[in-house]
Amino acid sequence: NAGVTQTPKFRVLKTGQSMTLLCAQDMNHEYMYWYRQDPGMGLRLIHYSVGEGTTAKGEVPDGYNVSRLKKQNFLLGLESAAPSQTSVYFCASSFGYRVEAFFGQGTRLTVV
Amino acid sequence: AQTVTQSQPEMSVQEAETVTLSCTYDTSESDYYLFWYKQPPSRQMILVIRQEAYKQQNATENRFSVNFQKAAKSFSLKISDSQLGDAAMYFCAYSLQGAQKLVFGQGTRLTINP
Repeated sequence: NAGVTQTPKFRVLKTGQSMTLLCAQDMNHEYMYWYRQDPGMGLRLIHYSVGEGTTAKGEVPDGYNVSRLKKQNFLLGLESAAPSQTSVYFCASSFGYRVEAFFGQGTRLTVV
Repeated sequence: AQTVTQSQPEMSVQEAETVTLSCTYDTSESDYYLFWYKQPPSRQMILVIRQEAYKQQNATENRFSVNFQKAAKSFSLKISDSQLGDAAMYFCAYSLQGAQKLVFGQGTRLTINP
């Protein structure tokens, strides 16, 4: 049972570089989320998706793009990384808003 | 704005004692669900307890229970007989039928003193 898998687990980027974080879930969940976690800020929603082919902005979407081409995958892209994007990123998925979300192990991203 | 607020950045409790973590939220919707998640040092997010807003009865899961005050928009978590393994960050969250997204508070770091 893989659950929610995030790739990579750690990454260091230079300012201006681009990268894509991959989230894969094997539970046939409709909803998928990307959060960032910063000290004292809790988990802030970046983007989310309520089904294949759909995406929506969360609380802090600037500087990020997402795609949900396949139901099981949710990609988070940083086109031009900035030091302010240094954070721990979590992906989560669920069957819907009524039930619990399952989380990946997180990706620690450092932008220097 | 739809928000979740945890006013206690840190809490500590003696082992075997009881502790209550506070959470307030703001929404005008009537259909929503409330959650408490635990994040131990491993960073893994774990569901502790869930409450449906339409239910008046407070949810309980073994040593964990909530005090859900709908009119006051308050959703506190009580941990009884605290154990060393309860030490973690605790996050309050809600999900709304209309917004269809899961929104978290800032978190409370709980320390258990032996």
